[in-house]
Amino acid sequence: DTEVTQTPKHLVMGMTNKKSLKCEQHMGHRAMYWYKQKAKKPPELMFVYSYEKLSINESVPSRFSPECPNSSLLNLHLHALQPEDSALYLCASTRTGRADTQYFGPGTRLTVL
Amino acid sequence: SQQGEEDPQALSIQEGENATMNCSYKTSINNLQWYRQNSGRGLVHLILIRSNEREKHSGRLRVTLDTSKKSSSLLITASRAADTASYFCATGEAFEAYGNKLVFGAGTILRVKS
Repeated sequence: DTEVTQTPKHLVMGMTNKKSLKCEQHMGHRAMYWYKQKAKKPPELMFVYSYEKLSINESVPSRFSPECPNSSLLNLHLHALQPEDSALYLCASTRTGRADTQYFGPGTRLTVL
Repeated sequence: SQQGEEDPQALSIQEGENATMNCSYKTSINNLQWYRQNSGRGLVHLILIRSNEREKHSGRLRVTLDTSKKSSSLLITASRAADTASYFCATGEAFEAYGNKLVFGAGTILRVKS
């Protein structure tokens, strides 16, 4: 199984809503990543979890709150988002090691009204 | 921060032709990777080339890496309509003992006309 799954595929939320994005992999990977991608732009790294601990936070606003409950699951909790946060949110994972390929999920298309 | 810069920004070719995309980067790297993204979907890993390698092949793909010029190229031979996608280079920076922090270039939009 070389698949990273993400749910939901699409999400529309208001600025006062609280929602969560979910990412799952069953490849035994120990590093998981959240990226944000705006239209016609490259993905930008948001967070990295390594062995279920937050390793990198790329100065992401606190309205985005990541969580890694176990080695297979990564969540991104959303609260009080702004319309400019509308984007494709991508999850990825790597086995371990410094030269590993990142496996990406299909993404969640988020629209903030 | 954006590490890799790619050119061209967009490329339109006929099916069967070859497509070449270039990527330049600024700092030392552990590896350089190429990814493909079909419209609005997740990224698919194409090929990884390590900093001590100069050329790598995978099927119709050929990647070169010149660390002295801090540049890489991706060649797709005998292109097909299904190759239509955005292509990104990404430079890998290791952090701690695990994981690989990728910084993506701006991407090249490839359109293959049938």
